[in-house]
Amino acid sequence: SQQGEEDPQALSIQEGENATMNCSYKTSINNLQWYRQNSGRGLVHLILIRSNEREKHSGRLRVTLDTSKKSSSLLITASRAADTASYFCATGMDSNYQLIWGAGTKLIIKP
Amino acid sequence: NAGVTQTPKFRVLKTGQSMTLLCAQDMNHEYMYWYRQDPGMGLRLIHYSVGEGTTAKGEVPDGYNVSRLKKQNFLLGLESAAPSQTSVYFCASNVGDSSYNEQFFGPGTRLTVL
Repeated sequence: SQQGEEDPQALSIQEGENATMNCSYKTSINNLQWYRQNSGRGLVHLILIRSNEREKHSGRLRVTLDTSKKSSSLLITASRAADTASYFCATGMDSNYQLIWGAGTKLIIKP
Repeated sequence: NAGVTQTPKFRVLKTGQSMTLLCAQDMNHEYMYWYRQDPGMGLRLIHYSVGEGTTAKGEVPDGYNVSRLKKQNFLLGLESAAPSQTSVYFCASNVGDSSYNEQFFGPGTRLTVL
């Protein structure tokens, strides 16, 4: 069963705008990761946030984690055409080393 | 470093045929995974391996078998393909030993079963 669910399923914005995607999960986690998948390609790791962290930055990416609401958000600032991709969240738990994946948000950046 | 590679990239099978998907990684990773990705769904784990000679079932193992005879290779077999196995298959690897380690993915194999 899927642990993470992304919202929205699809998002289309103008280049230069900020894009925000959300991920909700159901059980306790020890970390949450975000991955990007360009069309027809494999997934690429973007950022990991641990359960004891509330916010993390990497370049134009900002991730927040609210364990009380069991949710995370990924913000991409100053979007570019190259950011067009699907974005997936994946959660990790103490009980094992597997990741549980959400269904993804498809982001389209319009020039 | 090539990272994680998968062969073939595309394949069309008829119902009942068999095939093997090959995954290779050159990062000396202990853990390897096979996922399937279907439209509108996240990745679902088929089988995984925590080291050479070991394999274990994931969330959706039925209809698939795996082998990890060498540390760098992880094979996924379909003994008798069914249309429900039409999907994109991804192999991934990582250092393992905890869920904190990022996974590295191959480019995928697009399989169609007619």
